[in-house]
Amino acid sequence: QKEVEQNSGPLSVPEGAIASLNCTYSDRVSQSFFWYRQYSGKSPELIMSIYSNGDKEDGRFTAQLNKASQYVSLLIRDSQPSDSATYLCAVIVLYGGSQGNLIFGKGTKLSVKP
Amino acid sequence: DTGVSQDPRHKITKRGQNVTFRCDPISEHNRLYWYRQTLGQGPEFLTYFQNEAQLEKSRLLSDRFSAERPKGSFSTLEIQRTEQGDSAMYLCASSADRGYEQYFGPGTRLTVT
Repeated sequence: QKEVEQNSGPLSVPEGAIASLNCTYSDRVSQSFFWYRQYSGKSPELIMSIYSNGDKEDGRFTAQLNKASQYVSLLIRDSQPSDSATYLCAVIVLYGGSQGNLIFGKGTKLSVKP
Repeated sequence: DTGVSQDPRHKITKRGQNVTFRCDPISEHNRLYWYRQTLGQGPEFLTYFQNEAQLEKSRLLSDRFSAERPKGSFSTLEIQRTEQGDSAMYLCASSADRGYEQYFGPGTRLTVT
């Protein structure tokens, strides 16, 4: 059974700081990883995808993947109060090499204090 | 290019009633997914379509649940004889053949009283 683990938080950081969100997964075969942001009462919004070991940067967001350690993280630089949300880590399950459904962690709640 | 749409956005029903939800994916997205999310949990997979074919179903999808995508465009999810435990946010997502990114609709929040 594939599992995705995240600290539920809440993680509280001051405005302007770097927020670091972590995720581990159980399946060594997993290849594709995603970070979603979910505001309270809203649906998940895709913010980052990463497929290869190393770092991937998009604006203030950096995703880091280490497949050997089965670890993926999300860094948010210059955190803003508008970044306050729950961040969901997800891993894709492949069916016969083709894309399939996502398995999500429970999410980490981030609070950015002004 | 519009995103994924879902209807209704909210549904309140009495236990034992049937409900049906609709999802319209992003145009040209062949893959469509249904998930369910309860408070404090991440979304849980229910079922998956590629075009009109239902390729995967989770064990969470009991016999009271049925999903269709008759023409490979919009999809419906029906819950028969609703139970209080069915209260949740029902999310639809779609993705293109090329690429693994899934994009979610706004969800349908179901409350069973």
